[in-house]
Amino acid sequence: GAGVSQSPSNKVTEKGKDVELRCDPISGHTALYWYRQSLGQGLEFLIYFQGNSAPDKSGLPSDRFSAERTGGSVSTLTIQRTQQEDSAVYLCASSPELATQETQYFGPGTRLLVL
Amino acid sequence: AQTVTQSQPEMSVQEAETVTLSCTYDTSESDYYLFWYKQPPSRQMILVIRQEAYKQQNATENRFSVNFQKAAKSFSLKISDSQLGDAAMYFCAYRSAIRWPSGTYKYIFGTGTRLKVLA
Repeated sequence: GAGVSQSPSNKVTEKGKDVELRCDPISGHTALYWYRQSLGQGLEFLIYFQGNSAPDKSGLPSDRFSAERTGGSVSTLTIQRTQQEDSAVYLCASSPELATQETQYFGPGTRLLVL
Repeated sequence: AQTVTQSQPEMSVQEAETVTLSCTYDTSESDYYLFWYKQPPSRQMILVIRQEAYKQQNATENRFSVNFQKAAKSFSLKISDSQLGDAAMYFCAYRSAIRWPSGTYKYIFGTGTRLKVLA
């Protein structure tokens, strides 16, 4: 079946603009994760969704970052008033919930460049 | 808090040769999972291999195998008969076997090792 998809693939924006990044998880996967990958760094956890609710927002770096998920499927990560330090690859992953050997399946990411 | 360390930012291997990528981690938990992910230039993170900490037998997947040393908290990845398609960033990751209060399993990733395969 189809894997995790993300759009856009690349996004260039000006400092101060808002951006929306989209993630389409694998059908049936109820858990969804957003990560940020900065140059030369590992993956930084941002937020976790269980269905449509986000019980873990502990990784969001500031109140400029928000995310929502509708219909237990598509998720949108919004960054308001973007800053140059927001430039990174944003990765989305989904996994089946309540699996004892839960494995995350990643999308190809969105590369964000803030000028 | 758990940490994952990959001390080799970059490695090179000749095609058809064998290479080992290092990963160490720190945890006070006794049960957990360890993963190796591959990230090619396409950016798609692909699961290479998974190891359950309670299993003493090292996991293997075709040309990929791990050397899991629980006492030493070491989890290295061996790639045999390296191929040009193996060139990628490789990330080591840790996941607790216990869900956080939020319900999530939180993954801790290392900073990655870039593997170059020389023809």
